[in-house]
Amino acid sequence: GQQVQQSPASLVLQEGENAELQCNFSTSLNSMQWFYQRPGGSLVSLFYNPSGTKHSGRLTSTTVIKERRSSLHISSSQTTDSGTYLCAPRSNYNVLYFGSGTKLTVEP
Amino acid sequence: ETAVFQTPNYHVTQVGNEVSFNCKQTLGHDTMYWYKQDSKKLLKIMFSYNNKQLIVNETVPRRFSPQSSDKAHLNLRIKSVEPEDSAVYLCASSHTGVGNTLYFGEGSRLIVV
Repeated sequence: GQQVQQSPASLVLQEGENAELQCNFSTSLNSMQWFYQRPGGSLVSLFYNPSGTKHSGRLTSTTVIKERRSSLHISSSQTTDSGTYLCAPRSNYNVLYFGSGTKLTVEP
Repeated sequence: ETAVFQTPNYHVTQVGNEVSFNCKQTLGHDTMYWYKQDSKKLLKIMFSYNNKQLIVNETVPRRFSPQSSDKAHLNLRIKSVEPEDSAVYLCASSHTGVGNTLYFGEGSRLIVV
């Protein structure tokens, strides 16, 4: 089956600190989409990033497709960043295969 | 802004009953999906439909049956629910083709007692 591994599983930060989230995936998958899942459960797309580096505000996503990995960097974390971050590489049918997520808690 | 609408948001039922979840998207997409998020929060693909045609079926028990009347609707019926069906079911849609972003609904939580 498809394999997607995220690390760390959980992370606790003090407000203002930076976070680096990692995602590794198996060879049959490609490109990458990063999501944020609110504590209530709804999913918000953060990035579609098939390769290279993309920026959005305090977020940066870097995907190195040859090495089957992607990262999400959060700078100057805020308490509102708390939630679960999910990476999801996709198959050739545009189906996403999700990692188990990184649960981020940002304390004031 | 939500453009993938799921109903009901929450449903409690007994083992053996039938349940249906509805999903509608207003984005003009032609591909729709059902995902299941279990108690460990792991999201797994169940089905993918493109223009009412089944594209992906990821080893889902036969009591689950998707139903698509048109490309904007993809419903999920579960015959004779079992306790392990308790989960959040998430509907999503996208344009056809690799690389198109998926947009998710708010989810439908099923509790089987």
